[in-house]
Amino acid sequence: KAGVTQTPRYLIKTRGQQVTLSCSPISGHRSVSWYQQTPGQGLQFLFEYFSETQRNKGNFPGRFSGRQFSNSRSEMNVSTLELGDSALYLCASSQRTGGGSPLHFGNGTRLTVT
Amino acid sequence: DQQVKQNSPSLSVQEGRISILNCDYTNSMFDYFLWYKKYPAEGPTFLISISSIKDKNEDGRFTVFLNKSAKHLSLHIVPSQPGDSAVYFCAASGGDTGNQFYFGTGTSLTVIP
Repeated sequence: KAGVTQTPRYLIKTRGQQVTLSCSPISGHRSVSWYQQTPGQGLQFLFEYFSETQRNKGNFPGRFSGRQFSNSRSEMNVSTLELGDSALYLCASSQRTGGGSPLHFGNGTRLTVT
Repeated sequence: DQQVKQNSPSLSVQEGRISILNCDYTNSMFDYFLWYKKYPAEGPTFLISISSIKDKNEDGRFTVFLNKSAKHLSLHIVPSQPGDSAVYFCAASGGDTGNQFYFGTGTSLTVIP
């Protein structure tokens, strides 16, 4: 079974630009979550989508948004990039929402903002 | 506010011995816990889980213990192997928050051959 696929692996953007990251979950998984990993803050929850609906959102500004398509693939968008947005962005899929089912992560997209 | 804490940034263990990684949490609503292993340049790999209705769960060389009264969980790796050298994260979720997990900051395990 193919794992979680994230594209692209690396991105370099300039302050003020916007970026879109993509995630394909494990086949059959309907929940997709996004996390930001930085050296100082560890893994921080961004949001979760389940059946094309945002299930929950973490404490991030509105510049961070996402969506999920009918095939469960998900995209995350960051607008008006800031230097502090430089991080590893991880997508995780799960069979169901609400706990009781582990998250399976992709290898992430490394975003560098200059 | 760090709701999940891993107070040991690093741990070194001899090959063949037991590795014990610890994790503390503050939110009594947490009822599902996960452990992950992470190598550089890769995403976290799921290792083992435990729900609050249990106090122990085993999977091969990995055992997770949960002490709800102390809000503490630990991961035991026996015997430790050099390939276990990685950063280990614990994560917790609970209540009506879907799949929002709170992660610890990780413990870097080095298994010395």
